[in-house]
Amino acid sequence: EAEVAQSPRYKITEKSQAVAFWCDPISGHATLYWYRQILGQGPELLVQFQDESVVDDSQLPKDRFSAERLKGVDSTLKIQPAELGDSAMYLCASSLDGTSNNEQFFGPGTRLTVL
Amino acid sequence: GNSVTQMEGPVTLSEEAFLTINCTYTATGYPSLFWYVQYPGEGLQLLLKATKADDKGSNKGFEATYRKETTSFHLEKGSVQVSDSAVYFCAHRNQAGTALIFGKGTTLSVSS
Repeated sequence: EAEVAQSPRYKITEKSQAVAFWCDPISGHATLYWYRQILGQGPELLVQFQDESVVDDSQLPKDRFSAERLKGVDSTLKIQPAELGDSAMYLCASSLDGTSNNEQFFGPGTRLTVL
Repeated sequence: GNSVTQMEGPVTLSEEAFLTINCTYTATGYPSLFWYVQYPGEGLQLLLKATKADDKGSNKGFEATYRKETTSFHLEKGSVQVSDSAVYFCAHRNQAGTALIFGKGTTLSVSS
């Protein structure tokens, strides 16, 4: 069964360092989402891609976060510099397209701890 | 604005007990509604969904009915199992019909 892949699964870093997360969506899925899930909270959208284009990055802290999906397939989310408040689970999801009826499939997430 | 409110957990039940997890939403119009489940160490999985008023979503013995009058989508199961222990998230699509808006999640713990 096709799955969304994410790496690494766990990342520990010190504040002010740079970190990067990778996501490989299900093959053929045009829409890719990055969510952040703080402990005890529900996931919140950071950025949404349709193919290689950003559709929604209104909640992405652009002073330190960046995301790209250069060839419209896999994607990288970067944080530079990391802050203590960035400790969270970073979830990637994909769907066939961005319409309401298509299910979003989630990867296992990357758990980031900033010391 | 758009939001989802779930009952706070943890919910602790004995095996074969009846489960209800309350969920209400605030949104413009009539969004699609979802329940996702997150087992320990795993990503979120879609449990069930409903796309219009009065629809009932069901899967693995879980059910939820889209109630537009009360803007609710409560999750129910008649007889829970130990394997149902997980975190359950209620969600709806945002106005653009794209990204999901989640509640805070409700932890369910079922003991034998």
